Amino acid sequence: EVQLVESGGGLVQPGGSLRLSCAASGFTFSSYSMNWVRQAPGKGLEWVSYISSSSSTIYYADSVKGRFTISRDNAKNSLYLHMNSLRAEDTAVYYCARESSSSSSYYMDVWGKGTTVTVSS
Amino acid sequence: QSALTQPASVSGSPGQSITISCTGTSSDVGSYNLVSWYQQHPDKAPKLMIYEGSKRPSGLSNRFSGSKSGNTASLTISGLQAEDEADYYCCSYAGSSTFVFSYVFGTGTKVTVL
Repeated sequence: EVQLVESGGGLVQPGGSLRLSCAASGFTFSSYSMNWVRQAPGKGLEWVSYISSSSSTIYYADSVKGRFTISRDNAKNSLYLHMNSLRAEDTAVYYCARESSSSSSYYMDVWGKGTTVTVSS
Repeated sequence: QSALTQPASVSGSPGQSITISCTGTSSDVGSYNLVSWYQQHPDKAPKLMIYEGSKRPSGLSNRFSGSKSGNTASLTISGLQAEDEADYYCCSYAGSSTFVFSYVFGTGTKVTVL
């Protein structure tokens, strides 16, 4: 079964740091690009970051650029999101999502159940 | 990049058809046939329902269909069923270059089955 399981969320003070992890199973992780998407309480979805299968291409949303770092370890079938200088507005459920395998299309076909990050003093 | 515009809510009776619109701009929806739709039940992960504007993932009910005209994409649910009650989000690829890449999501639509 294709599966993504996030972990690492929790309560952190403003200005603090946190590292999220996403464990992939049931597919060849090293062949897929990956994304992080977040959802603030009661709000819609917001794309956060993208990383290509070999980590050669990385993108960030403007709202997190310079504060968040996406990375992956293909040997461990794992995706990460390092979050620094956290703000109250970063409070959200963070989902990892698999990018489609097509080189000419863009969509996210598999999602994890999410991990909750709360930034509060 | 501004969020795509969706109606806040749409409702229908069992068996009826409903359509959810998703309006963007010539920089996203209008430029690419790369709109996807996601269903999200309360406290659950989003689920891919439509990709590339009108294609369904394998195994998904053909009651769900997608289309696009100009800067507006649409999701139609026919033969509405109780389990279709959920939030629905559209998403469009909004281009990439050396340093820029973006997905833009819609504002979300709550579908209620009366």
